[in-house]
Amino acid sequence: EVQLSESGGGLVQPGGSLRLSCAASGFTFSYYTMSWVRQGPGRGLEWVSAINRGGSPTYYADSVKGRFTVSRDTSKNILYLQMNSLRAEDTAVYYCAKDREPDSKWDFDSWGQGTLVTVSS
Amino acid sequence: DIQMTQSPSFVSASVGDRVTVTCRASQGISNWLAWYQQKPGKAPKLLIYAASTLQSGVPSRFSGSGFGTDFTLTISNLQPEDFATYYCQQADSFPPAFGQGTRLEIK
Repeated sequence: EVQLSESGGGLVQPGGSLRLSCAASGFTFSYYTMSWVRQGPGRGLEWVSAINRGGSPTYYADSVKGRFTVSRDTSKNILYLQMNSLRAEDTAVYYCAKDREPDSKWDFDSWGQGTLVTVSS
Repeated sequence: DIQMTQSPSFVSASVGDRVTVTCRASQGISNWLAWYQQKPGKAPKLLIYAASTLQSGVPSRFSGSGFGTDFTLTISNLQPEDFATYYCQQADSFPPAFGQGTRLEIK
């Protein structure tokens, strides 16, 4: 059974940093592109970032480009999202999501439970 | 970037009803369209991919259709567990984009 479990969320001041982790199990992590998707309070889903199965290329939404960095450790089956220069509008639940198939299009068949990031002074 | 527009934003229906949600892409995406269901406080769940292919384990009362720019999600014989928010998502090109969601509530 595929399992994705995010951690690392919390309260951070504007301008601060946070690193999210997503522990993966139940599938061959190194075969799949992985993404981060967020959902602001009472809002819809917004794709944030992705990383190819080999670690590159990486992809970012314009809203986070230059501030967020996605990475992965295939030896530990962990996906990361380093978030710097955080803004109030980054407040959201952050989900990690797995591509449906290796080298498939951009759809996601498994999601973690999410971790809440709150950016506030 | 491709924009996704869903309608309606909100629909009220009764158990046993049939409901249709529409999703329109700002440009053609072939059949690369996914539908997700999300319940409050839970992660999204993939229902349909490639516009009309049911994800494993999803009940057959869910169906999808469409190609190019116009797509529909149909739920037949609504069950109590179907009351949730539904999102479409274009999977054709970078960046992937979601519709704004359709909230399905019990009448």
